[in-house]
Amino acid sequence: GAGVSQSPRYKVAKRGQDVALRCDPISGHVSLFWYQQALGQGPEFLTYFQNEAQLDKSGLPSDRFFAERPEGSVSTLKIQRTQQEDSAVYLCASSLGAGWYNEQFFGPGTRLTVL
Amino acid sequence: GQQLNQSPQSMFIQEGEDVSMNCTSSSIFNTWLWYKQDPGEGPVLLIALYKAGELTSNGRLTAQFGITRKDSFLNISASIPSDVGIYFCAGTNTGNQFYFGTGTSLTVIP
Repeated sequence: GAGVSQSPRYKVAKRGQDVALRCDPISGHVSLFWYQQALGQGPEFLTYFQNEAQLDKSGLPSDRFFAERPEGSVSTLKIQRTQQEDSAVYLCASSLGAGWYNEQFFGPGTRLTVL
Repeated sequence: GQQLNQSPQSMFIQEGEDVSMNCTSSSIFNTWLWYKQDPGEGPVLLIALYKAGELTSNGRLTAQFGITRKDSFLNISASIPSDVGIYFCAGTNTGNQFYFGTGTSLTVIP
């Protein structure tokens, strides 16, 4: 079966542009996570969905960041008016269950470069 | 966001040597995880630890959940070239929000 996929794999944006990053989780996975990974750092939690409900968005760095998962499967992370500090790899992960810890399966990430 | 401290930051070892790395936090966690990340890929789970003091193995990998719940250790025995990559620890108390370490980069010299 297919793993978590993300698109695009690479995105170059001019400062001030809006971008949308897509995540296709493993089919049937209830939980979905977004992380931001700066160069040379570990992933940092952004937000968590259980089905279509966004249960935790405490890691979103500003109101320019918005995530949705309207039908409980595909998710989109949108960044408005991109800034240079937004340059990072954005990782999506999904897990089968909800509630307590279930193994997260990560996608390959989208590398965003803001010029 | 909170990041856990990992040491060493990087390691260069000969093939066949054993490797030890650790991870510390200012906060306690009730679950510790170890991941490996290859270039251009997402992290892959290696070992999960659920109980203070727990020692768990996965092949040549052994990890321990520190008794203070503020640290964890990962050992790799008899390293091979495919062990090359970046190793991350992660901790969680909710099962939903995870805090990752700063990473240990491992290079294995054949």
